[in-house]
Amino acid sequence: DAKTTQPPSMDCAEGRAANLPCNHSTISGNEYVYWYRQIHSQGPQYIIHGLKNNETNEMASLIITEDRKSSTLILPHATLRDTAVYYCIVLMNRDDKIIFGKGTRLHILP
Amino acid sequence: KAGVTQTPRYLIKTRGQQVTLSCSPISGHRSVSWYQQTPGQGLQFLFEYFSETQRNKGNFPGRFSGRQFSNSRSEMNVSTLELGDSALYLCASSPLGLGAGDTQYFGPGTRLTVL
Repeated sequence: DAKTTQPPSMDCAEGRAANLPCNHSTISGNEYVYWYRQIHSQGPQYIIHGLKNNETNEMASLIITEDRKSSTLILPHATLRDTAVYYCIVLMNRDDKIIFGKGTRLHILP
Repeated sequence: KAGVTQTPRYLIKTRGQQVTLSCSPISGHRSVSWYQQTPGQGLQFLFEYFSETQRNKGNFPGRFSGRQFSNSRSEMNVSTLELGDSALYLCASSPLGLGAGDTQYFGPGTRLTVL
């Protein structure tokens, strides 16, 4: 079973901020939260990752709650090219199994 | 730097056959992970190789195996193919491997169709 929970799909208007939530209530202290996205028929693309603090890069921002049980990926100005499946992943210790959830299918509406 | 490359990009096999997929990681990356993606499913982890050793393994039957060479290139083999093995197989590389904040970079995938 995946260790993260995401809504199966979301819509966002073009030009608006897309906020994608992820629950990871069983996360432990040394586990990172990673976000990837996959555009149809392509390999997954790394977006951002974080441990405790909020993170920002040229693609997105990652907001992690203080208790680390949930996080939100923010695409500040969504475009049609942001239409993809977004995966929230908790990376465990090297000796544990790595499990991906089903992700959130984000539709950007013109 | 060149990205992760996978060959072949498309493959058609019949039930009972075996198949070998190849992955060349980004130069300098020592970890290679393999994933299966089927329609309607999220990515499912197969296994990770680091310095020619399998370090992590997912919940797949023994028909799925892999290996890594001294130059970090990796191959994945599936024997006795079943219809349910039709999927996009993705390879990802990273400098040091899974966990500890390392970033994985994915290849374009090999789309396997089993008839």
